[in-house]
Amino acid sequence: GAVVSQHPSRVICKSGTSVKIECRSLDFQATTMFWYRQFPKQSLMLMATSNEGSKATYEQGVEKDKFLINHASLTLSTLTVTSAHPEDSSFYICSARDLGQDTGELFFGEGSRLTVL
Amino acid sequence: GQNIDQPTEMTATEGAIVQINCTYQTSGFNGLFWYQQHAGEAPTFLSYNVLDGLEEKGRFSSFLSRSKGYSYLLLKELQMKDSASYLCAVADSNYQLIWGAGTKLIIKP
Repeated sequence: GAVVSQHPSRVICKSGTSVKIECRSLDFQATTMFWYRQFPKQSLMLMATSNEGSKATYEQGVEKDKFLINHASLTLSTLTVTSAHPEDSSFYICSARDLGQDTGELFFGEGSRLTVL
Repeated sequence: GQNIDQPTEMTATEGAIVQINCTYQTSGFNGLFWYQQHAGEAPTFLSYNVLDGLEEKGRFSSFLSRSKGYSYLLLKELQMKDSASYLCAVADSNYQLIWGAGTKLIIKP
């Protein structure tokens, strides 16, 4: 099946710093990638839809200036958490859909656990 | 509004069978997905249903009734490694995935 790689898997940073998370589709091209956030014992919450070559679409309540998304190529999307604060500590997961597959299955990256001190 | 309902937690015995239900109300329907998620890991795909009926894949089966807005995931011959959260998700008319809160399945020996 298609593979989505996410990096880093874990990151610890100080409050006020910025953190970049990368999401790569390794064996397929993804014009659209999705960024989720998941707090402990809760379901996935869609933050934004990343579109290659254009601006990301953010869900209601998600600050676009705080969570910067860049989808510069068909295989890479990045999420930058700017001026991170402890409340931003969460599990961030990216996913992409391989349009070459009939199922419309979403393939997920391994996730990135962010801890802001 | 859009809504996905599934039980919060279920307990079953190793070797037994368990059925996890999911009901949904969404604006449009373009398929229903079941994902498995172990604690601290990303979800992994289990099944996809877009037509009514039962899809069987090894020990796991998924059923869909579009008229009832209902699906279930059936797990047979339960193993300890099946202890995880099971997420039901529906693709709406815009192909956006609407996620249920997940069902935590606890397997006891």
